[in-house]
Amino acid sequence: DAGVIQSPRHEVTEMGQEVTLRCKPISGHDYLFWYRQTMMRGLELLIYFNNNVPIDDSGMPEDRFSAKMPNASFSTLKIQPSEPRDSAVYFCASSLFGEQYFGPGTRLTVT
Amino acid sequence: GENVEQHPSTLSVQEGDSAVIKCTYSDSASNYFPWYKQELGKGPQLIIDIRSNVGEKKDQRIAVTLNKTAKHFSLHITETQPEDSAVYFCAASTSSGGGADGLTFGKGTHLIIQP
Repeated sequence: DAGVIQSPRHEVTEMGQEVTLRCKPISGHDYLFWYRQTMMRGLELLIYFNNNVPIDDSGMPEDRFSAKMPNASFSTLKIQPSEPRDSAVYFCASSLFGEQYFGPGTRLTVT
Repeated sequence: GENVEQHPSTLSVQEGDSAVIKCTYSDSASNYFPWYKQELGKGPQLIIDIRSNVGEKKDQRIAVTLNKTAKHFSLHITETQPEDSAVYFCAASTSSGGGADGLTFGKGTHLIIQP
C-alpha cells in the first residue's frame, strides 16, 4: 500500500489567497484526521471524519478553515482567506482499528 | 479535554545505552496510548502502542509501560542506535471498538544518540 498521500508537499501563498490541501487515505480505512504542527503549539487535531461524516471539528481554529470528505478516498482542507499565522505543516492521517497512520504532510507558508 | 505532558524535551544518550521518555495524561477516560517517531521532514510514524487493558508491551528493542492509576506511560528503548535519533511523541485518546477519537499529543522529545 502507498500509505496516506498528501498534496501538495509544499505550498507558498500570499496572505488573503485561498489554499486547498488534499489527502488520500489508506484504502479501506474508515477514519480520517487532519492535524496541524507548529513549533509553538506542537501537533494539534483540527477535525476528523468517520465514514466520510465529520465527527469533531472543535479543533478548527476559525471559520476560515473548512474540511470536506466527499468520498472514502479523498478529503480536502481549505483555508480562505489565508493569513501568515496559518503557516504550519498540515498532516492527514487515516485509521481502521484505532491505529493512525500519517501522511508526509503539506508545508504551508503564507507570506 | 485531555492534556498530555511529556518529559524530557531533549534526551542525549550514548550509543548502546537505554533511553526512557515519560508522559502523563489527565483524562481518566483515555484508553489508547500510541508512540510516534518523527524524522526531519517526514510525518509521524507509529512505532508502538498500548491499550488500557495491558500494563506493558514490547517489540524488539522498544517497550511501553502504562500505569492507569497514576495516569502515566513510558517509552523504553534499549541498545540505542544512531538511527534512533529523532523526535518522539506520546499521545492519548479514547478508542471504543474499532473506532478512535483524535489524538492529543505531548510536546515531543528530541532523542540524540551520541556515537
